[in-house]
Amino acid sequence: AQSVTQLGSHVSVSEGALVLLRCNYSSSVPPYLFWYVQYPNQGLQLLLKYTSAATLVKGINGFEAEFKKSETSFHLTKPSAHMSDAAEYFCAVSDLQNQGGKLIFGQGTELSVKP
Amino acid sequence: DAGVIQSPRHEVTEMGQEVTLRCKPISGHDYLFWYRQTMMRGLELLIYFNNNVPIDDSGMPEDRFSAKMPNASFSTLKIQPSEPRDSAVYFCASSSGAGWSNQPQHFGDGTRLSIL
Repeated sequence: AQSVTQLGSHVSVSEGALVLLRCNYSSSVPPYLFWYVQYPNQGLQLLLKYTSAATLVKGINGFEAEFKKSETSFHLTKPSAHMSDAAEYFCAVSDLQNQGGKLIFGQGTELSVKP
Repeated sequence: DAGVIQSPRHEVTEMGQEVTLRCKPISGHDYLFWYRQTMMRGLELLIYFNNNVPIDDSGMPEDRFSAKMPNASFSTLKIQPSEPRDSAVYFCASSSGAGWSNQPQHFGDGTRLSIL
């Protein structure tokens, strides 16, 4: 079965520092991959998606992610953290093995940004 | 553009009462998903519909939970009778394609449910 693993349930960085949120997936076929962000008391919002057009994907708010097939990874990065980036981040993979429809979500990583 | 609209935003009720959560998907989207989010279990898919037809309800926890989609613009998730362990944030999401079509899901702001 397909799965998504997010390494680290909590990540803390200083304002202006690099943000790196890790995501590894398991899939026997090239997947579609997504990063979502959830701010307090809100639903999930799409940050970016990988659809095989390019391995480096740029999203909103300065985030980007790189698809590495050899490492089965899709890590999310941002060069310089801002206080407003504090939120929970979810990696998700399309469920291509079970007649589709579903996204498989990771457990989420809470990002804290220190002043 | 209007996003996914959920109501109510907050619901507090007593154990044993019937609870109905409502969702209006984005117009033109033919997939609708119901999720539950808790600290302990994270984000769980309960059920999803395609063209108003339930496709996968394997995530529905018990017979106390039921979901309907009478038309393309409205869905309900009902809990009867409710129990304290049902307390969670319930999200509705919609999409214009299945997972294999790479279309993202658009989420509502959720209903925060507290069962006393």
